[in-house]
Amino acid sequence: KAGVTQTPRYLIKTRGQQVTLSCSPISGHRSVSWYQQTPGQGLQFLFEYFSETQRNKGNFPGRFSGRQFSNSRSEMNVSTLELGDSALYLCASSFTSGLQETQYFGPGTRLLVL
Amino acid sequence: EDQVTQSPEALRLQEGESSSLNCSYTVSGLRGLFWYRQDPGKGPEFLFTLYSAGEEKEKERLKATLTKKESFLHITAPKPEDSATYLCAVQAGPSYDKVIFGPGTSLSVIP
Repeated sequence: KAGVTQTPRYLIKTRGQQVTLSCSPISGHRSVSWYQQTPGQGLQFLFEYFSETQRNKGNFPGRFSGRQFSNSRSEMNVSTLELGDSALYLCASSFTSGLQETQYFGPGTRLLVL
Repeated sequence: EDQVTQSPEALRLQEGESSSLNCSYTVSGLRGLFWYRQDPGKGPEFLFTLYSAGEEKEKERLKATLTKKESFLHITAPKPEDSATYLCAVQAGPSYDKVIFGPGTSLSVIP
């Protein structure tokens, strides 16, 4: 079974630009979550999508947005990039069996904002 | 304020030397506590989810336990391949809309 894939793996942008990151979950998983990881702030939750609906949202500005398509693939968009947006962006897909939730992370997209 | 802390920040163990990592949390409305391991340059690898105080989960040399205020990750007879950063996270809030990660514990197991 293929794992979670993220594209692109690496990206360099300049301040003020926008960026779109893509995540393909494991087949059959309907939940996709996005996270930002930086050395200073650690791992922070961005948002979660389930069946094309945003289910939860972390404490990030409106420049960060996302969506999920009918095939569960998800995209994350960051507009008006700032230097502080440089980070590893991780996506995870999950499934729930009974009360047990299991989550699988992708390798991440490393974004550098210059 | 909702908060998740982990201790120690870093831990060096000899191969075979068992120990425990701690994850303490102050949140309201805990839905679940998650443990992950993360190797350098890779995404986290899910280990366990714990939902209620007294619950325990085991996987190979790892055992996770949960109380009302904290969780422990016990590592029995660790091997060098157990070296990684171990992260815990909680999902909480009235609508379970908060996901908060701890800063992690960096574990090094020396042969």
